[in-house]
Amino acid sequence: DVKVTQSSRYLVKRTGEKVFLECVQDMDHENMFWYRQDPGLGLRLIYFSYDVKMKEKGDIPEGYSVSREKKERFSLILESASTNQTSMYLCASRPGLAVTQETQYFGPGTRLLVL
Amino acid sequence: SQQGEEDPQALSIQEGENATMNCSYKTSINNLQWYRQNSGRGLVHLILIRSNEREKHSGRLRVTLDTSKKSSSLLITASRAADTASYFCATENSGNTPLVFGKGTRLSVIA
Repeated sequence: DVKVTQSSRYLVKRTGEKVFLECVQDMDHENMFWYRQDPGLGLRLIYFSYDVKMKEKGDIPEGYSVSREKKERFSLILESASTNQTSMYLCASRPGLAVTQETQYFGPGTRLLVL
Repeated sequence: SQQGEEDPQALSIQEGENATMNCSYKTSINNLQWYRQNSGRGLVHLILIRSNEREKHSGRLRVTLDTSKKSSSLLITASRAADTASYFCATENSGNTPLVFGKGTRLSVIA
């Protein structure tokens, strides 16, 4: 079974803090994604990565950055957390083009509260 | 950008009844997928239907796709209380691009 893990289920941070959300997958997937989920807005794509050291902006990248130094790990960074970044953050992974497998595998989510 | 739009936003039914959720999208797609999310959890893939398919079954799930109307429906037959969750449609617009999710339908199945 594919496993996608996220470093924390719940996180409370203060405004202005630098926040790291970590995601690890164990299936050698090339593609990894970060979404945020808010009531009434569904899932919105923040950043994604097709391979190590590669990153692409999604629909709402402002206020976020990412890091993919190893294939299995994709980190989301909030450089200076703000209250409007309070949300549920979901990481997902998927094999690359070489494999005919379009489904995404999600982690359990990190619920972040910024005070 | 939101591609899929689910309808209804919320649905409440009795156990044993069928539940139907609809999804409309805007652009041409490679495939459309349905995911389920239990409260406070990650999403789990349910079923995928490709653009050249019209109907697909998996257990109690039946998915249809009408590319001329840019719409899909998910039918859950003989629903159970454990089916209570949010259901999302997601579209892949071209090869190896991120899925674009709708806002979801919240299904409540009352025992």
